[in-house]
Amino acid sequence: SQTIHQWPATLVQPVGSPLSLECTVEGTSNPNLYWYRQAAGRGLQLLFYSVGIGQISSEVPQNLSASRPQDRQFILSSKKLLLSDSGFYLCAWSVRGEQPQHFGDGTRLSIL
Amino acid sequence: GIQVEQSPPDLILQEGANSTLRCNFSDSVNNLQWFHQNPWGQLINLFYIPSGTKQNGRLSATTVATERYSLLYISSSQTTDSGVYFCAGDNQGGKLIFGQGTELSVKP
Repeated sequence: SQTIHQWPATLVQPVGSPLSLECTVEGTSNPNLYWYRQAAGRGLQLLFYSVGIGQISSEVPQNLSASRPQDRQFILSSKKLLLSDSGFYLCAWSVRGEQPQHFGDGTRLSIL
Repeated sequence: GIQVEQSPPDLILQEGANSTLRCNFSDSVNNLQWFHQNPWGQLINLFYIPSGTKQNGRLSATTVATERYSLLYISSSQTTDSGVYFCAGDNQGGKLIFGQGTELSVKP
């Protein structure tokens, strides 16, 4: 069966520091991968999605970037964190577009 | 992109009561999902239901695609049903758009 892993579960970072969040999927090949952010406990917003290695689409302009160095690995990064980057970040995968998406347990990011 | 509206925004129930949550879409969708977010933040898949009716235990969902809405029914609610319920849809190849959620609190 397929599983999705995200780490770390929680992270506290100072303003201006770099960020790297990792997501990996097991048990499937060539999945669609997604990064979402949830701010203030309601409503998830799609940040990035990827249909293959090195293929990244950004949905909203922001201080973050994403990369997909391997088929089942998706990384969310920032060179310099802002206070507004705080939130709950979730990674998801699907077999392909418009099919059910399955979410990881998320990373709770606090910026001080 | 589509817009997703959920109602009610908040709901308080006594244990054992039934409830209906609603999700309206501004345009037709090819993917429609219902999720439950538990107090630890985990987003649990409840239903993938672009059309028709599905049931899973005390939960069931109905999507009327032609009228662009979906309903989630919770029967005989339990305290463990508490949390936030989200619906989400997409018509652009995987770009799920989420509603703002319904926060459900079930009192013993």
